[in-house]
Amino acid sequence: QLHLQESGPGLVKPSETLSLTCTVSGGSIKRSTYYWGWIRQPPGKGLEWIGSIFNSGSTYYSPSLKSRFTISVDTSKNQFSLELNSVTAADTAFYYCARDADSSGSFDFWGQGTLVIVS
Amino acid sequence: QSALTQPPSASGSPGQSVTISCTGTSSDIDNFNYVSWYQQHPGKVPKLMIYEVTKRPSGVPDRFSGSKSGNTASLTVSGLQAEDEADYYCSSYAGRNNYVFGTGTKVTVL
Repeated sequence: QLHLQESGPGLVKPSETLSLTCTVSGGSIKRSTYYWGWIRQPPGKGLEWIGSIFNSGSTYYSPSLKSRFTISVDTSKNQFSLELNSVTAADTAFYYCARDADSSGSFDFWGQGTLVIVS
Repeated sequence: QSALTQPPSASGSPGQSVTISCTGTSSDIDNFNYVSWYQQHPGKVPKLMIYEVTKRPSGVPDRFSGSKSGNTASLTVSGLQAEDEADYYCSSYAGRNNYVFGTGTKVTVL
């Protein structure tokens, strides 16, 4: 069974850089034909897709967020990562990593999510 | 790219049906058959319930069904059960490797 787990700091200071990692187990990113994505959800609010990455390193981002986020992949560690620079309080959210089942935004396996507070 | 529009709330009695709408534009829902629906219980992770407009992942009860007409997609939950009380989000492919989520609907089982 595929399992995803986010890791990273739960508290980040304004203007600093947020870095999160998603570790995949029960399946290989390198041998998969899926995209892997990041989604965030401010407490009490809706879901927002951030971006997705393929094992080749090919990435695509939400047009409204593109300039601030960077997604990368390390197939040797079976991980993919998210970096967000110059964080503000508006970036406080639960951050989820997930697998895109059909390369069209259907995320079928999700991590448990990690709450990042900017303060 | 604006979020897809969903009603804030919907409700129904046990055994009844409830339908949630998800309105987009000609750039997303109307142009692609890549609409998904997610169920999220409080404090839990979103769960994929419908993908590619009408398809159900393995394990999702057939009480959940999806459809689309023009720029509006719908999720229908038939035979409402207490455990169906949750937030529901739609999403759609919007072209050029872009996805957009809906604003979310809270379903209450009366």
